[in-house]
Amino acid sequence: AQSVAQPEDQVNVAEGNPLTVKCTYSVSGNPYLFWYVQYPNRGLQFLLKYITGDNLVKGSYGFEAEFNKSQTSFHLKKPSALVSDSALYFCAVRDASSGTYKYIFGTGTRLKVLA
Amino acid sequence: GAVVSQHPSRVICKSGTSVKIECRSLDFQATTMFWYRQFPKQSLMLMATSNEGSKATYEQGVEKDKFLINHASLTLSTLTVTSAHPEDSSFYICSARAPEGTEAFFGQGTRLTVV
Repeated sequence: AQSVAQPEDQVNVAEGNPLTVKCTYSVSGNPYLFWYVQYPNRGLQFLLKYITGDNLVKGSYGFEAEFNKSQTSFHLKKPSALVSDSALYFCAVRDASSGTYKYIFGTGTRLKVLA
Repeated sequence: GAVVSQHPSRVICKSGTSVKIECRSLDFQATTMFWYRQFPKQSLMLMATSNEGSKATYEQGVEKDKFLINHASLTLSTLTVTSAHPEDSSFYICSARAPEGTEAFFGQGTRLTVV
């Protein structure tokens, strides 16, 4: 069965410091991995994805994520956090071998960047 | 990037009435759309997969007679909450998969309040 774990409900970081939001996954086939961000009362905004190729993926707003197959992780990172990065972040996985386009979402991590 | 428009963004209705939520892909054709429900401070729960020209596929535990889904064209899927009750109050989000892409794009969400 597919699953996604985001072990931290909330991450606090000071503005200007690097941030990491953790994600681990489990799929039976090849994983497609995604990060989305959600602001209050809004839908989800796509940040970045890993499909194949380089393990380090760069996305919107200076975010990047590293695919680690041996650790089944896809942690989201940013070298220098901004207060405006404060939001709810979701990791998602799709099993590329499943023939469906269903996404399984993690429980979300609330990022708070302190000025 | 691709745009998905969801309407209305907020709706308040009386118990026993029905409410229709629209999800449109504005600049691409979406053969598959997804409907999610999000409870406060929780992750997205997939309700159903909507395929153009065919019946929707509902996830386990989702009442198909209560949550009617219609995907009559390649750019429009609708979710109708029939005989709404206060426990149906929630944030509903749609997403659409572009045929040539692998990521889903999300609508802005609809806050439904049943009084």
